[in-house]
Amino acid sequence: AQSVTQLGSHVSVSEGALVLLRCNYSSSVPPYLFWYVQYPNQGLQLLLKYTTGATLVKGINGFEAEFKKSETSFHLTKPSAHMSDAAEYFCAVSPQGYSTLTFGKGTMLLVSP
Amino acid sequence: DGGITQSPKYLFRKEGQNVTLSCEQNLNHDAMYWYRQDPGQGLRLIYYSQIVNDFQKGDIAEGYSVSREKKESFPLTVTSAQKNPTAFYLCASSDGQGGQPQHFGDGTRLSIL
Repeated sequence: AQSVTQLGSHVSVSEGALVLLRCNYSSSVPPYLFWYVQYPNQGLQLLLKYTTGATLVKGINGFEAEFKKSETSFHLTKPSAHMSDAAEYFCAVSPQGYSTLTFGKGTMLLVSP
Repeated sequence: DGGITQSPKYLFRKEGQNVTLSCEQNLNHDAMYWYRQDPGQGLRLIYYSQIVNDFQKGDIAEGYSVSREKKESFPLTVTSAQKNPTAFYLCASSDGQGGQPQHFGDGTRLSIL
């Protein structure tokens, strides 16, 4: 079985500040890991994914995440927040060989001017 | 443009009534999924289908039913047995291969009259 824990249901940053959204996972087999973003009343959009290979993954809109097996983490970062980054972010895990996803409960990112 | 279409965007159900949510995709994906989203709960898997005429229960299938008669369509019925149906419902699809991202529709918001 697999699970995802996202630390902090809400994270507040100032525009231009570093964004750090935390995700820890558990999986009985090597995982695939994903970050999605959701704007109000919309579906989810893929930001980035880790399957195999390079552990630092770059995604859209300047976001990146690093897979750390020893820490079972896949934290999402962005060097400088924009107002348009305000949204809810979801981390998800899928065991290798499977297509179903297990999602965390989400982190709402608030960006102030 | 390829994508996933969910309809209607808003739906109201009377007590004791079954309602059906539509999900259509033109991405030629083999796999389709239904999720329920409640505030602070993340996304929870209701049903998924990896091939036409086959589907599996997810984590919260009770009170729901699905069919997969065509590759592009995966309707979800919320039955009267679902006692707390008020939620945001999201449909997704993927090519079914492990590690491939799921693509999401814009959701249907179901409320009880």
